Amino acid sequence: AQSVTQLDSQVPVFEEAPVELRCNYSSSVSVYLFWYVQYPNQGLQLLLKYLSGSTLVKGINGFEAEFNKSQTSFHLRKPSVHISDTAEYFCAVSRDYGGSQGNLIFGKGTKLSVKP
Amino acid sequence: ETGVTQSPTHLIKTRGQQVTLRCSSQSGHNTVSWYQQALGQGPQFIFQYYREEENGRGNFPPRFSGLQFPNYSSELNVNALELDDSALYLCASSTAGSGTEAFFGQGTRLTVV
Repeated sequence: AQSVTQLDSQVPVFEEAPVELRCNYSSSVSVYLFWYVQYPNQGLQLLLKYLSGSTLVKGINGFEAEFNKSQTSFHLRKPSVHISDTAEYFCAVSRDYGGSQGNLIFGKGTKLSVKP
Repeated sequence: ETGVTQSPTHLIKTRGQQVTLRCSSQSGHNTVSWYQQALGQGPQFIFQYYREEENGRGNFPPRFSGLQFPNYSSELNVNALELDDSALYLCASSTAGSGTEAFFGQGTRLTVV
């Protein structure tokens, strides 16, 4: 069975500092991994995705993530955060062979709080 | 703007009642998925519809049901509401196929009292 664990429920960080949000997964099949962001009272927006190929994936808003198969991890990073990055971040794995995003298993989320 | 719209945005219902939530998918998308997001939790997959047929279901009881219409819009129906059904309900539309992106609506906040 597939599952996703986000290791930190809350991450406080100062503006312009680097941040890493951790995600570990378990899957017995090919893995397709995603990071979404959710701003207050809004739906989810895709930040980036790993389907195959290069293990370093670049997304929107300066975020990137690295797929590490041996450590079953897909950590999200940003070298310098802004106040506007304050939001909740979700890691997800696709249930579907081929990695379509209509059928996802999400982690419980990490609340990123950027302080001035 | 993603083009996925959900209605209503907020709703309050009494335990035991029935509710219908609606989702208009993005133009060109033929697949709609519904998720339940309880407070402080990640979204949980309820079911998916592809070309008007249910195409996968999560661990939700039969009182959660759905429909997809010829224009690919969708409804989520919940019967015999329970207090634990209080949550944000998210709809996502996509096309079928490898790696296709799902676009989420802003959700319907359901409160059961």
